[in-house]
Amino acid sequence: GAVVSQHPSWVICKSGTSVKIECRSLDFQATTMFWYRQFPKQSLMLMATSNEGSKATYEQGVEKDKFLINHASLTLSTLTVTSAHPEDSSFYICSASGAGATGANVLTFGAGSRLTVL
Amino acid sequence: GENVEQHPSTLSVQEGDSAVIKCTYSDSASNYFPWYKQELGKRPQLIIDIRSNVGEKKDQRIAVTLNKTAKHFSLHITETQPEDSAVYFCAASKSRTGANNLFFGTGTRLTVIP
Repeated sequence: GAVVSQHPSWVICKSGTSVKIECRSLDFQATTMFWYRQFPKQSLMLMATSNEGSKATYEQGVEKDKFLINHASLTLSTLTVTSAHPEDSSFYICSASGAGATGANVLTFGAGSRLTVL
Repeated sequence: GENVEQHPSTLSVQEGDSAVIKCTYSDSASNYFPWYKQELGKRPQLIIDIRSNVGEKKDQRIAVTLNKTAKHFSLHITETQPEDSAVYFCAASKSRTGANNLFFGTGTRLTVIP
């Protein structure tokens, strides 16, 4: 149980275009979703926290207008990298938190999305 | 916000030896401390966690200790095996609502030499 699906797993785009990454909780309702960014050989940096139906809370230094986060339902959150540039190339990972099958809170990571901006 | 520091950044041990990774945190309100194992390009996998009301927790070859006063916690892996080779991250969180916004340490690349 507590499966999180993230798509796409790998995407290449041209500079200036926008890319959308989806994070879905498959077998539980994710009241909160988190988005992380990870550069090669570095740690996961929390970008933002989103609660279903409300605006995301961004960490300091993360541009809200560049990284648009939508959490419209209890099973889906999306991250849109707008006007992507090569420096946005990174590994983006979501995690979802909510009540699992037993009622206990679960926190599960998606498999990550590798974005390469040319 | 929370600041989590992790040492060492790399660690090599002979198969069968023990490995210890240490982390410190800055926010005394943090009360949940998970450890994750991440293989290259894959999602972090939770291997063990500890809450602030517990000082030590063990699961087979893996144990975690927490010193709240000093604000540090450690991961201990005994009888290491080659498949333990990976990057390990500690994290800290204030999980009042059950939703865990984790702040990660910088990671430790563990290599177990056969």
